[in-house]
Amino acid sequence: RKEVEQDPGPFNVPEGATVAFNCTYSNSASQSFFWYRQDCRKEPKLLMSVYSSGNEDGRFTAQLNRASQYISLLIRDSKLSDSATYLCVVNRWMNRDDKIIFGKGTRLHILP
Amino acid sequence: SQTIHQWPATLVQPVGSPLSLECTVEGTSNPNLYWYRQAAGRGLQLLFYSVGIGQISSEVPQNLSASRPQDRQFILSSKKLLLSDSGFYLCAWNNDTGELFFGEGSRLTVL
Repeated sequence: RKEVEQDPGPFNVPEGATVAFNCTYSNSASQSFFWYRQDCRKEPKLLMSVYSSGNEDGRFTAQLNRASQYISLLIRDSKLSDSATYLCVVNRWMNRDDKIIFGKGTRLHILP
Repeated sequence: SQTIHQWPATLVQPVGSPLSLECTVEGTSNPNLYWYRQAAGRGLQLLFYSVGIGQISSEVPQNLSASRPQDRQFILSSKKLLLSDSGFYLCAWNNDTGELFFGEGSRLTVL
């Protein structure tokens, strides 16, 4: 089983709709979690950190479920500019090293 | 504020030629530095990371090498490129908060 798994998509969603996708992780020792956004042929950029209590930033909501070992990203009132690949990132300490594990990403297409 | 610069942005190299990609970080000291590769349609693969000058950890054995001659400089090299080395190379840095910040990437095509 891969350490971080995401549905690759693509998710084709009409503009204005709400879309959500999950990311599962296999190592219960994982400590911090992030969502990154990557536009085509560009570098990934941090979208938001994911806190245990959940957090919201405008139209974006991220949640963590430690019991089931997944994180989620919800996008409300989706815009054309939300089209991108969303990468799930899990961070943990192992043998005094900081291990950062990326999912392969979920592609999102917002349709006009 | 912190910035990360990576160059060249694009390069086309013949098989067997050498490679040197450079990355510098400004506005912070003693950052953790990373080199990732992203092949077409694939996820990010960690190649090297460094927690300090001269300290390099390799994640994947291959014909690439990395060096950190200065605190905020990270270099990715190869003596002889292979076709399979084509990809999008990303330098990144972080501190103890864990959030990674990426350079704009170097797109390498090996012919």
